[in-house]
Amino acid sequence: GAVVSQHPSRVICKSGTSVKIECRSLDFQATTMFWYRQFPKQSLMLMATSNEGSKATYEQGVEKDKFLINHASLTLSTLTVTSAHPEDSSFYICSARDSPGLSYNYEQYFGPGTRLTVT
Amino acid sequence: AQSVTQPDIHITVSEGASLELRCNYSYGATPYLFWYVQSPGQGLQLLLKYFSGDTLVQGIKGFEAEFKRSQSSFNLRKPSVHWSDAAEYFCAVGENIRGGSQGNLIFGKGTKLSVKP
Repeated sequence: GAVVSQHPSRVICKSGTSVKIECRSLDFQATTMFWYRQFPKQSLMLMATSNEGSKATYEQGVEKDKFLINHASLTLSTLTVTSAHPEDSSFYICSARDSPGLSYNYEQYFGPGTRLTVT
Repeated sequence: AQSVTQPDIHITVSEGASLELRCNYSYGATPYLFWYVQSPGQGLQLLLKYFSGDTLVQGIKGFEAEFKRSQSSFNLRKPSVHWSDAAEYFCAVGENIRGGSQGNLIFGKGTKLSVKP
């Protein structure tokens, strides 16, 4: 099956620094990637959607200058949390989807997540 | 607006007992429906999905779900729960790409399943 990896799995950084999280599709080409944020004991909230070679589309309330998303290739998307603060501490999960094809049947394949802690 | 409701925040069942997790959705078009499971500190694993066809869908790990359009429901069931099934379960509806969306997933708030020995 389709595999999505995330790196790092866990990161601790100091307040004010920037952190980059990578999301890779290992065995398929991801035309679209999604970034989610999950607070403890809560559901996944979509932050942004990115298509390869295009600017990301951010959900309402998500600061695009703070959460920089780059989808430079069909297998890699990155999320950079700039000038991180303790309130940015969360579990970040990416997912990837390939071309839906003529049938429009599709699903998202999820990465294992990245735990960000800002001290 | 599209939404997914999982009415039960936390359910506890005894090992070997049957399980049903409820999911109701609100979506204007034909829904694409999913159930995911998440173990603590892990990503999401797809249990099963419904796109079209037979309304009773079989998934992995012995799970099944039934799509009932008249009730806008997609409840997840398992006849005999194992201790390893303890996890968080999320129901999701996928936006239809034909409608011009990116195919976003809208998640319910999740149901935590605990299993008693």
